[in-house]
Amino acid sequence: EAGVTQSPTHLIKTRGQQATLRCSPISGHTSVYWYQQALGLGLQFLLWYDEGEERNRGNFPPRFSGRQFPNYSSELNVNALELEDSALYLCASSLLGGSQETQYFGPGTRLLVL
Amino acid sequence: GIQVEQSPPDLILQEGANSTLRCNFSDSVNNLQWFHQNPWGQLINLFYIPSGTKQNGRLSATTVVTERYSLLYISSSQTTDSGVYFCAVEWYGGATNKLIFGTGTLLAVQP
Repeated sequence: EAGVTQSPTHLIKTRGQQATLRCSPISGHTSVYWYQQALGLGLQFLLWYDEGEERNRGNFPPRFSGRQFPNYSSELNVNALELEDSALYLCASSLLGGSQETQYFGPGTRLLVL
Repeated sequence: GIQVEQSPPDLILQEGANSTLRCNFSDSVNNLQWFHQNPWGQLINLFYIPSGTKQNGRLSATTVVTERYSLLYISSSQTTDSGVYFCAVEWYGGATNKLIFGTGTLLAVQP
């Protein structure tokens, strides 16, 4: 069974540009989560999508947005990139989106903003 | 909000040694998971353990909900065990499905 996949593995952008990160959940999983791991800030929850709807977001500005497609894959968009957006972005999926489910993580996308 | 703290922050072991990693949380939790982050950044699921004890090979974990802590035991450590170990909780008093990660323990196993 394939795990969570993410693309691209690495992304280099300049300040002010937009970045689009993609995630495919484990087959059969309907919920997708995005987390940011920035140097010195630890792993922080960004967004949760389930059945195509945004269910919850973390303490991030509106320029962090995303969507979930009918096949349950997801995109994370970061507009007006800032230097501090440089981080590892991790996507996770869970089976049904219920509380107390195991979340499985992808390999991440490393975003570098110059 | 809930605080999730891990100890020790860093740990250096010789191959073959045993270790215990601790995760303390300041409030009731619905969910607790242990992860190993390898040098390439991949978070690998180790345990889903909101309570009780589980074992998987050389690894075992125990969560004591009444005392708000979880322990991860690594026996006969190998160099491939190196990396950062995170615990993550789903806070009972917070938003569901949002994992709150601890500060991590950096483990280095020397040959």
